[in-house]
Amino acid sequence: AQSVTQLDSQVPVFEEAPVELRCNYSSSVSVYLFWYVQYPNQGLQLLLKYLSGSTLVKGINGFEAEFNKSQTSFHLRKPSVHISDTAEYFCAVSLSNDYKLSFGAGTTVTVRA
Amino acid sequence: DVKVTQSSRYLVKRTGEKVFLECVQDMDHENMFWYRQDPGLGLRLIYFSYDVKMKEKGDIPEGYSVSREKKERFSLILESASTNQTSMYLCASSSGGGRGNQPQHFGDGTRLSIL
Repeated sequence: AQSVTQLDSQVPVFEEAPVELRCNYSSSVSVYLFWYVQYPNQGLQLLLKYLSGSTLVKGINGFEAEFNKSQTSFHLRKPSVHISDTAEYFCAVSLSNDYKLSFGAGTTVTVRA
Repeated sequence: DVKVTQSSRYLVKRTGEKVFLECVQDMDHENMFWYRQDPGLGLRLIYFSYDVKMKEKGDIPEGYSVSREKKERFSLILESASTNQTSMYLCASSSGGGRGNQPQHFGDGTRLSIL
C-alpha cells in the first residue's frame, strides 16, 4: 500500500513571497501524483497532476510541482503568492492499477499582507 | 464542467439515528467515492463504487454502508449514528478510463454533527 507524507502542517507566508509545500510518498509500484486545493467551506479542486513525461508539471493559478522519482517526492511551488492562495493543500497518490487515491494530511497555507 | 452535488451542506442528527447523505454527479462518471475529512488526518476513503450496484470498502468502512442504484447517484448511510462520526463528508467522482490516472472531482462537502 502507498502512503503520503506532507512534511508541513502549517505554512505562513507573506504576500508576493515564494512558497514550497513538501510531499513525499512511499510505493513499490508506479504511481500517479496529484495536488488539490481546498478553499474555506468548499470541496477539493485539482491544481495539477503528474502522470508521466516531464517531471516539471504546471497547474492552475501559477502553481507548479516537480516529480523526483529517486527521492519519491512531489513538491508544490509558487514563486509569488496572493492573499487568495490562503487555503489547505493536499497531496495525493494513486497506483497505476487502482482507482483509489491516498491523501496526505494537508498543509494549511496562510498568506499575510 | 463536472458538477458533483451533495444534498446538504450542514446536517445535525442524534445518536442512534439512521442518516443518509446523498451525492449526484452529472458527467456520466463510472467511479464514485465517499471520504471523511478530519483535521490533521486528511481525507480517508470510506467506500467507493466503480459501477452501478457495485461497491468496495475503503480504509474506514465500519459503521457505514452505501447504495448505488443509478449511475449518477451514490448514497452514504450511517446505520446508527454515533458522536465519533461527526465530521466533514466529501463525495467525489471520476471517469473509468484508465485506472488511477483520472482526477477525482469533488462536491462541496456535508458537515455532519451527531449530538
